[in-house]
Amino acid sequence: GQQLNQSPQSMFIQEGEDVSMNCTSSSIFNTWLWYKQDPGEGPVLLIALYKAGELTSNGRLTAQFGITRKDSFLNISASIPSDVGIYFCAGRPYSGGGADGLTFGKGTHLIIQP
Amino acid sequence: GAGVSQSPRYKVAKRGQDVALRCDPISGHVSLFWYQQALGQGPEFLTYFQNEAQLDKSGLPSDRFFAERPEGSVSTLKIQRTQQEDSAVYLCASSSGEVRWAQYFGPGTRLLVL
Repeated sequence: GQQLNQSPQSMFIQEGEDVSMNCTSSSIFNTWLWYKQDPGEGPVLLIALYKAGELTSNGRLTAQFGITRKDSFLNISASIPSDVGIYFCAGRPYSGGGADGLTFGKGTHLIIQP
Repeated sequence: GAGVSQSPRYKVAKRGQDVALRCDPISGHVSLFWYQQALGQGPEFLTYFQNEAQLDKSGLPSDRFFAERPEGSVSTLKIQRTQQEDSAVYLCASSSGEVRWAQYFGPGTRLLVL
């Protein structure tokens, strides 16, 4: 099945730093979404992208749908302690075939160093 | 408004027992999805409903897994004769008909099979 490669696996940052993470696929996707998951909770939708090249912001978060349709990135500016968590990219393959659900990456663990 | 709710939040079952997991989607959301999340992994798609119709069950791992949504709102995921490998977090998500891929997740049910 489809796989999304998400990197980095983990990030150790200091409060106030900017963060960048990305997600790539071997095939074209027509939808990219970014979620954040805290321990013991379900994923929370941060940003949804539907068009190649689309750049969307949500507060300090900015995400882009890559022009090749095979990648997406998420940036977090001026990180704060509550940004700690696991960030997942998810997408829907362009082919439309196969499962109707989203395909998820393995997540990026964001850790803020004291 | 209320988000997606799931019950129970935690379930411990002995191997061979049957379990039933409940999902209450966001009111008015026609699409409902079930995912399985193993420890340290991203969610993996199990099945999809549009109203009461189960349109995709390609992700269900075996015939021991069964899902229903008889009235197009609440859904139940049933696992028969549970096995240790069924231990995971089971997530439910819903979306409106207009923006199908912007899925909103519940907190999940953590299933432990002993």
